[in-house]
Amino acid sequence: GAVVSQHPSRVICKSGTSVKIECRSLDFQATTMFWYRQFPKQSLMLMATSNEGSKATYEQGVEKDKFLINHASLTLSTLTVTSAHPEDSSFYICSARGNRDTEAFFGQGTRLTVV
Amino acid sequence: GQNIDQPTEMTATEGAIVQINCTYQTSGFNGLFWYQQHAGEAPTFLSYNVLDGLEEKGRFSSFLSRSKGYSYLLLKELQMKDSASYLCAVMDSNYQLIWGAGTKLIIKP
Repeated sequence: GAVVSQHPSRVICKSGTSVKIECRSLDFQATTMFWYRQFPKQSLMLMATSNEGSKATYEQGVEKDKFLINHASLTLSTLTVTSAHPEDSSFYICSARGNRDTEAFFGQGTRLTVV
Repeated sequence: GQNIDQPTEMTATEGAIVQINCTYQTSGFNGLFWYQQHAGEAPTFLSYNVLDGLEEKGRFSSFLSRSKGYSYLLLKELQMKDSASYLCAVMDSNYQLIWGAGTKLIIKP
C-alpha cells in the first residue's frame, strides 16, 4: 500500500510554545489530507480536512487559529499547534488520500505532550 | 445524524473465533472500512467492503449488508497479537469517513 510518513513521532514541548507536525505522502499524490486527534481510550476525532491548495475545513469545535493546517503541495501537509497547553496533549494522526482512492492511508501518528 | 455503533469491548480465547459487529446510519454510503489499531499506534487497514457479501483475507473476513446497515469483522485462529482495537468506518456520500468508537478486543491464553 501507499506510504504516509508523519514526523515527529513524539514531541514534548513547554506550555505556550508552538509545535509543527508534518505529514508526507511518499509515493502518491495526496489530494486530500485528514488530521485526527485521539485521546486515550477514545476513537479518532476528525479535526480538519484539507485539499491541496485550498484552506482547510475544520470540524465544529476545533479552533482554526490554534490548529493551523497547511497543505501547500500534493505530498505535504502540516499541522501547527500554536500556544500549546497541557490539554492539547494527545495523539495526532494524519491520513492522506489520492484523487482516485477510496482508502485513506495513515501516518504513524505523533504523541504530543505539553508540560 | 450519522452514527456508527460497535461494541466497546470483547474478550476471546487464543485459537478461537470472534465476530465484531458494526451497524451504521449515514448520509449515503461509499464503502465500509475495518482498521486495526494497537495501543499507541496509528490504525492499519484491514478491509474494505462496498458490495454485499463476505470478503475473506487470510484469518480475517469482513461481511457487509447494505440493506441492513450492518457489517462484521470475523477473526479466526486468534493470536495474542490480535489484541487491539478494531475500528469500523463508513465513507458517506461526501466521501468523508465516519468513525465508530472502536471495539477493544482482549485475547486470553
